[in-house]
Amino acid sequence: SQKIEQNSEALNIQEGKTATLTCNYTNYSPAYLQWYRQDPGRGPVFLLLIRENEKEKRKERLKVTFDTTLKQSLFHITASQPADSATYLCAPNRDDKIIFGKGTRLHILP
Amino acid sequence: DAGVIQSPRHEVTEMGQEVTLRCKPISGHNSLFWYRQTMMRGLELLIYFNNNVPIDDSGMPEDRFSAKMPNASFSTLKIQPSEPRDSAVYFCASSLMGGPPKDTQYFGPGTRLTVL
Repeated sequence: SQKIEQNSEALNIQEGKTATLTCNYTNYSPAYLQWYRQDPGRGPVFLLLIRENEKEKRKERLKVTFDTTLKQSLFHITASQPADSATYLCAPNRDDKIIFGKGTRLHILP
Repeated sequence: DAGVIQSPRHEVTEMGQEVTLRCKPISGHNSLFWYRQTMMRGLELLIYFNNNVPIDDSGMPEDRFSAKMPNASFSTLKIQPSEPRDSAVYFCASSLMGGPPKDTQYFGPGTRLTVL
């Protein structure tokens, strides 16, 4: 069955450093992959979408890569700030089905 | 724009009772999605509508769950009878163009359901 894996452990990063989150998937060939941010008590908020024919996508301090050979996406936050602390969900999808990973909690330490 | 509106924000009920969750999507959006989130299973798509028509309900866990979208500005998710294992946060999301969820989805604040 299709499986999405994100770091289950929380990630602690010092302010100013680059945070890198990993999303791996198996038994799946997504046409595109989305990343969402979720704060406690709130719904997810869309951040970025990358298509299977794109290697990299950037938006301000965010960068996403998509390696269909490795079946992996990496999500980078450069010059991280305490306000970046949240849970980040990856969501690979194809056709009419979207599957969310369980998310990685990121803590940016001041 | 007010964003996606869900009610109630919190619901506590006893096993066997009927529960109705409500959602008002963003005006102009033509697709609506219902999700359930738990620590164990993460965020799961239950059902989605396109132009008020249910397209995929394969995520609905069982017959106790039903969803309707009588018009473009309102949807309900009903659980009858409710069970303790239904306890979760239920999210509604909407999108423009929609159908396949590749389009940006806008999530509501969620309804935290506790079934005792």
